[in-house]
Amino acid sequence: SQQGEEDPQALSIQEGENATMNCSYKTSINNLQWYRQNSGRGLVHLILIRSNEREKHSGRLRVTLDTSKKSSSLLITASRAADTASYFCATDLSGGSNYKLTFGKGTLLTVNP
Amino acid sequence: DTEVTQTPKHLVMGMTNKKSLKCEQHMGHRAMYWYKQKAKKPPELMFVYSYEKLSINESVPSRFSPECPNSSLLNLHLHALQPEDSALYLCASSLLWTGSSYEQYFGPGTRLTVT
Repeated sequence: SQQGEEDPQALSIQEGENATMNCSYKTSINNLQWYRQNSGRGLVHLILIRSNEREKHSGRLRVTLDTSKKSSSLLITASRAADTASYFCATDLSGGSNYKLTFGKGTLLTVNP
Repeated sequence: DTEVTQTPKHLVMGMTNKKSLKCEQHMGHRAMYWYKQKAKKPPELMFVYSYEKLSINESVPSRFSPECPNSSLLNLHLHALQPEDSALYLCASSLLWTGSSYEQYFGPGTRLTVT
């Protein structure tokens, strides 16, 4: 079964607005990562947050992690049309098989100019 | 150089053909991955190589045959594929895990169509 589940599945906003995407997972993790994928292209790593971290920032991105609720959120502030993409969370299982990242179903973000 | 390259970008093959996908990275990463991605779905792990040895095979059918000839190259040999194998095939690389994951660098993918 999928380890990560994002919601919403799709999000449409206007340029300049903030976008928030959520990810829930089922079992204990070491790290949680967020990736972006433009249509039909490869994935680009955005941010990695470790299980002992609660919040991390990178430019216009803010990621939070709540291990008690087994959930994470990705906030993109002051969105731009170029942020239009699919966003995936990915987790590695604590004590699980090395090297295996499990991706959530993804959120399709559309930023309208 | 933080680039992972994949060739070809597009591939159309018949069910009786044999073809290969290629992936290359020069970041010194000793973990390399093949993923399969269907439209509107997340990537699904197929194979993982660490130190040029196969570490994970996610029960992939034998018509897909991976190969890691050296630390920079990763191939995926294709034979007798089915139309349902049509997908975007992504290669990725990362530092070797030391108990937890590192960021993975992805190539642009090969769009495969099986006719």
